[in-house]
Amino acid sequence: ETVLTQSPATLSVSPGESATLSCRASQSVSSNLVWYQQKPGQAPRLLIYGASTRASGIPARFSGSGSGTEFTLTISSLQSEDFAFYFCQQYNNWPRTFGQGTKLEIK
Amino acid sequence: QVHLVESGGGVVQPGRSLRLSCAASGFTFSRHGMHWVRQTPGKGLEWLTLIWFDGSNKYYADSVKGRFTISRDNSKDTLFLEMNSLRAEDTAVYFCARDRAAVLDIWGQGTLVTVSS
Repeated sequence: ETVLTQSPATLSVSPGESATLSCRASQSVSSNLVWYQQKPGQAPRLLIYGASTRASGIPARFSGSGSGTEFTLTISSLQSEDFAFYFCQQYNNWPRTFGQGTKLEIK
Repeated sequence: QVHLVESGGGVVQPGRSLRLSCAASGFTFSRHGMHWVRQTPGKGLEWLTLIWFDGSNKYYADSVKGRFTISRDNSKDTLFLEMNSLRAEDTAVYFCARDRAAVLDIWGQGTLVTVSS
C-alpha cells in the first residue's frame, strides 16, 4: 500500500506567521492527494484536492502544491482557527491511505 | 445543507456484531459513492470501504475484508456498515463520507465503537 509520511509531527507557529506542512508518498500518487483539517471531536474538513485546488469555501491563505511523491500544504497569515490537526490522503492507489497527521499548535 | 449523521455505535463484546448507519440529507444520495473510515489515537485515520452510487461495486481494506460489509438503501438515503467478528483493534470512531470524483468531500461527525469484554 501507499504509505504517506507527514512532517513534522508537531509544528509550533505564532499567529500571523506562515506554516508549511509536508506529505511524502512511498510511491507516486500523481496529483491525487487531498489535505484535511480536523479539530478535536469534529469530522475532517476537506481543504485541498487534486494536490492544489482549494475546496469550496476554503480561504485563500490555504494553498497546496506538489505531485508524484512530494506535497506541501502552506497556510499563510495563520489565524486562531487554523490551529488544528492536518492530514493528507491519497486517492490514486488502492487502498486509500492517510498520513499520520501534523498537529499545528500555537507558539 | 449537506449532512451525514452516523449512528449505531456502542460497546460490544469481542466476536459479536454491530451495524452502523449513516443518514444522508441535503444532496442526491443515489448519485454518490460512499465510504467508511475509522480513526484511532494510535493508528490514525484508516480507510475501510467504498460502495458505488448504485451499490454495484464494493471495495474493502484487507483489515476488514470478509468481516465487514458495506451496503446502502437509496430509497432511504442511508448507508450501512455491518461489522462481524469484532476485535479489540476495531475500537475506533467510525465516519461515513461522501465520494465526489474519488475525493471524500463531506464527512459525518462519527460514531464511537468500543470492543471490550
